[in-house]
Amino acid sequence: QQQVKQSPQSLIVQKGGISIINCAYENTAFDYFPWYQQFPGKGPALLIAIRPDVSEKKEGRFTISFNKSAKQFSLHIMDSQPGDSATYFCAAHHREGAQKLVFGQGTRLTINP
Amino acid sequence: DSGVTQTPKHLITATGQRVTLRCSPRSGDLSVYWYQQSLDQGLQFLIQYYNGEERAKGNILERFSAQQFPDLHSELNLSSLELGDSALYFCASSTRDRGRSGNTIYFGEGSWLTVV
Repeated sequence: QQQVKQSPQSLIVQKGGISIINCAYENTAFDYFPWYQQFPGKGPALLIAIRPDVSEKKEGRFTISFNKSAKQFSLHIMDSQPGDSATYFCAAHHREGAQKLVFGQGTRLTINP
Repeated sequence: DSGVTQTPKHLITATGQRVTLRCSPRSGDLSVYWYQQSLDQGLQFLIQYYNGEERAKGNILERFSAQQFPDLHSELNLSSLELGDSALYFCASSTRDRGRSGNTIYFGEGSWLTVV
């Protein structure tokens, strides 16, 4: 079963634009929501993360918006750059469950120069 | 560089064979996780060890097994390989066991397995 749904599967944005990736979850036992960035040939790397008691977290050009009531969270990349081209995964950390980190299906982001 | 080391980086083997993937976690990390990444399934959690003991099991096939040794390195054994086992296998590590906020999981660069 897919516990974290991510959209879109792929996204093309012009340089300088805003990239937005959305995720939704059902399980209220998730208590930590990280985003991972993966470049070709590399493993996923933690980009930014948020706890459910916070509605927004910003780190540089990257912002997570979190809507607890709607069980949705999103990643916004401001002033998108070609170097941001990568696959992005949202994830949810289960408080007690067997699957410690559940990933969304990933979004392949391409920033056109 | 995440500090998690995986070997081999690439592996090609025939159906029915057995392979072992090796992982060295970051210095000081006690938890090791194994994930499988394929095009159609995304990142799937396989299994977790903490300080030598199995902690959690995900979608791991019975043909697969893993262990964590006293020096904390881990091995993932894949046997009776099938074409569908071709994937990128990631090892990850973290300091703590429980999935608490801030327990960052660091991924290695993966082992590409191709079954022909």
